[in-house]
Amino acid sequence: EVQLVESGGVLVQPGGSLRLSCAASGFTFISYWMNWVRQAPGKGLEWVASINQDGSEKYYVDSVEGRFTISRDNAKNSLYLHMNSLRAEDTAVYYCAKDHVAAGMYFDYWGQGTLVTVSS
Amino acid sequence: EIVLTQSPGTLSLSPGERATLSCRASQSVNNNYLAWYQQKPGQAPRLLIYGASSRATGIPDRFSGSGSGTDFTLTINRLEPEDFVVYYCQHYGSSTVTFGGGTKVEIK
Repeated sequence: EVQLVESGGVLVQPGGSLRLSCAASGFTFISYWMNWVRQAPGKGLEWVASINQDGSEKYYVDSVEGRFTISRDNAKNSLYLHMNSLRAEDTAVYYCAKDHVAAGMYFDYWGQGTLVTVSS
Repeated sequence: EIVLTQSPGTLSLSPGERATLSCRASQSVNNNYLAWYQQKPGQAPRLLIYGASSRATGIPDRFSGSGSGTDFTLTINRLEPEDFVVYYCQHYGSSTVTFGGGTKVEIK
């Protein structure tokens, strides 16, 4: 059974930093692109970042480019999101999501999410 | 970057009826890289449809996707009580992913 478990979400002050983690199990982690998607309270979904199988390709939404870094440790079956210079508008539930095997980018398994709150 | 516009914002229907949800792209979607998700309150989204018309694993056949170019549709036949939630479309292209704003299907 595929499982994705996020952790690391907390209350942080504007300008602060945070690292989110996602522990994956139940599939061959090294074979898939992995992603972060967020959802602000009461709002829609927003893709944040994607990383390929060996970590050599990374893509970001414009609003986090230069502030967030996606990474992975295939030996630990883990995905990370390093978040710097946090802003109030980064407040959201952050989901880790696995890429589907089909061509394109679709998210077939999601974690339960971890809440990041940016506030003074 | 392609912008996805979903309509209507809210759809009011009764159980057993058919729901037709629209997702319009600001530019033509290459390779039909278009997906649909269902999100229930307090839960993560669930993939329903990928490649515009392929059902994901375990999705009931009352859910179907269609369309190409800039206009895509999610159809839900014979609405069940658990179908009255929020639906999002999603596009992939040029190493970027975008979501539509969502359609809420509510009980009339």
